[in-house]
Amino acid sequence: GDSVTQMEGPVTLSEEAFLTINCTYTATGYPSLFWYVQYPGEGLQLLLKATKADDKGSNKGFEATYRKETTSFHLEKGSVQVSDSAVYFCALSDGSNTGKLIFGQGTTLQVKP
Amino acid sequence: EAQVTQNPRYLITVTGKKLTVTCSQNMNHEYMSWYRQDPGLGLRQIYYSMNVEVTDKGDVPEGYKVSRKEKRNFPLILESPSPNQTSLYFCASSPRAGPAGANYGYTFGSGTRLTVV
Repeated sequence: GDSVTQMEGPVTLSEEAFLTINCTYTATGYPSLFWYVQYPGEGLQLLLKATKADDKGSNKGFEATYRKETTSFHLEKGSVQVSDSAVYFCALSDGSNTGKLIFGQGTTLQVKP
Repeated sequence: EAQVTQNPRYLITVTGKKLTVTCSQNMNHEYMSWYRQDPGLGLRQIYYSMNVEVTDKGDVPEGYKVSRKEKRNFPLILESPSPNQTSLYFCASSPRAGPAGANYGYTFGSGTRLTVV
């Protein structure tokens, strides 16, 4: 079945460092891809999305490009802030009527001043 | 404020004692869903509802029930909780059902941390 694999965490960076969180997927069809973020004590929030190959999603300085050839959707940010500390989830939607999202296991990011 | 509200936020209960976790959304969303989050496993879908009186099983429905009698409410019922249902639970909603709703993006509640002893 469809699946999402994220890089193991936690990821610890200094403020203003460059961030990459790797995400690869396995899907039989043409999924839509998402990054959700979970701040401490809160629910998940949609960070960005891409619905077809070569689309780039972006929001709040974060970017990710849907790469069909490498089945990847890596999250990047040029300069992280302490406020970016959170758990980041990569997810895919298989386009079925269930509306289900298939999530990766999550990657914890800690940014130190 | 547009939101998904879950109650309670924290719950400790004993094996076999029936409980209900409530979920309510104020956005007139058609689609609602329940997920559980476990370490190393991400989130997994328990049940979903495409509209009032329409519910169906997700990937991990065993031990759970749901109902959708009104558009805004989607309670999760554990008839006889067991320790393997100890988890963090999230309710989510979207304006539309199916892939259109997923592509729009879900609004998640703040979560219910359940411990079954």
